[in-house]
Amino acid sequence: SQTIHQWPATLVQPVGSPLSLECTVEGTSNPNLYWYRQAAGRGLQLLFYSVGIGQISSEVPQNLSASRPQDRQFILSSKKLLLSDSGFYLCAFTLQLGAQETQYFGPGTRLLVL
Amino acid sequence: GDSVTQMEGPVTLSEEAFLTINCTYTATGYPSLFWYVQYPGEGLQLLLKATKADDKGSNKGFEATYRKETTSFHLEKGSVQVSDSAVYFCALSDRGDKIIFGKGTRLHILP
Repeated sequence: SQTIHQWPATLVQPVGSPLSLECTVEGTSNPNLYWYRQAAGRGLQLLFYSVGIGQISSEVPQNLSASRPQDRQFILSSKKLLLSDSGFYLCAFTLQLGAQETQYFGPGTRLLVL
Repeated sequence: GDSVTQMEGPVTLSEEAFLTINCTYTATGYPSLFWYVQYPGEGLQLLLKATKADDKGSNKGFEATYRKETTSFHLEKGSVQVSDSAVYFCALSDRGDKIIFGKGTRLHILP
């Protein structure tokens, strides 16, 4: 069966510090991968998605970046965090099985920027 | 812990039929409730939300009412279209940011 892991679970970082959040998927190959952010009081926002190694599409321009160095690894980064980067970050993947597509979510990372 | 349970799919309806997708939740606090939709080949999009008891969220003809007494947030639409075919996720967010999703319900609308 497919599983998805994220770490760390919780992170407190000062403004201006770098960020690296990691997401890995098991039990499948060549998934579509997504990074979402949930900010307090708002709905989920799609940040990046990837259809393959090295292929990243950005939905919202901001000081975050994403990379996919391996088929089942998706990394969210920042060189300098802002206060507004605080939130809950979710990684997800979708599997295309025939005509059906199913999305699976990781456990998430809570990021607090102070 | 907090959780969301929604009806399993797939749900198959004819165009112009009435839609209900059931969603119930458990939470220790007073969460905000959401419905998200994923169209084929796209990421999740927020469909509607409600932040307190008896609030009704609505968008694109869809509605859901936050029922605290039954801990439910059922999604309804009076007349569905083929373009509504998608996967629908019920979700809750407690304490401001962490969001918990149901497993999703696939909806097929036949012309």
